[in-house]
Amino acid sequence: EDQVTQSPEALRLQEGESSSLNCSYTVSGLRGLFWYRQDPGKGPEFLFTLYSAGEEKEKERLKATLTKKESFLHITAPKPEDSATYLCAVQEGTGFQKLVFGTGTRLLVSP
Amino acid sequence: DSGVTQTPKHLITATGQRVTLRCSPRSGDLSVYWYQQSLDQGLQFLIQYYNGEERAKGNILERFSAQQFPDLHSELNLSSLELGDSALYFCASSAGAGQGYYGYTFGSGTRLTVV
Repeated sequence: EDQVTQSPEALRLQEGESSSLNCSYTVSGLRGLFWYRQDPGKGPEFLFTLYSAGEEKEKERLKATLTKKESFLHITAPKPEDSATYLCAVQEGTGFQKLVFGTGTRLLVSP
Repeated sequence: DSGVTQTPKHLITATGQRVTLRCSPRSGDLSVYWYQQSLDQGLQFLIQYYNGEERAKGNILERFSAQQFPDLHSELNLSSLELGDSALYFCASSAGAGQGYYGYTFGSGTRLTVV
């Protein structure tokens, strides 16, 4: 069964203090790995899709990378508005679109 | 506004009751997915519909059912509610049934509280 484990569960950073979030996965044939951002009381907001090991994508202060067993979400010089829960999900290559989500990393960036 | 509309936003009901959650997908999207999010379990896939037909089932209880109508909106019916059914219920949509590369678009959810 597909599994997604995210670490740490919670992370507190000072504004400007860069760090990385980890997503380890087990899937039989990765079709795509997804990163979402979720603010309290709201639905997840799509950030990135990564398809193959070695791929990287960037958006503002966020950069996602992928290896054969894990993905990292690097946050460079974060700002308080980056505070949110970051969710990782995988989709296996069976043609069926179910996404399996991790439980997320709660990020708090203090000014 | 993501384009996916869920109603109601909040629902408080008693154990044993039945409720219906509604979802209108983003314009042009044919697939609708339902997810349950509880504090300790994260987002759990319940069921997927594509253009009116059930495509896949996840960990959906027998007390729960869903359907997608000709206008593509979907309803999730929860019956014989228990305290443990209290959670956020999200609907998401995507353009196709086998093309998840751009991710889903999620609605803002329905918070269900069973008392």
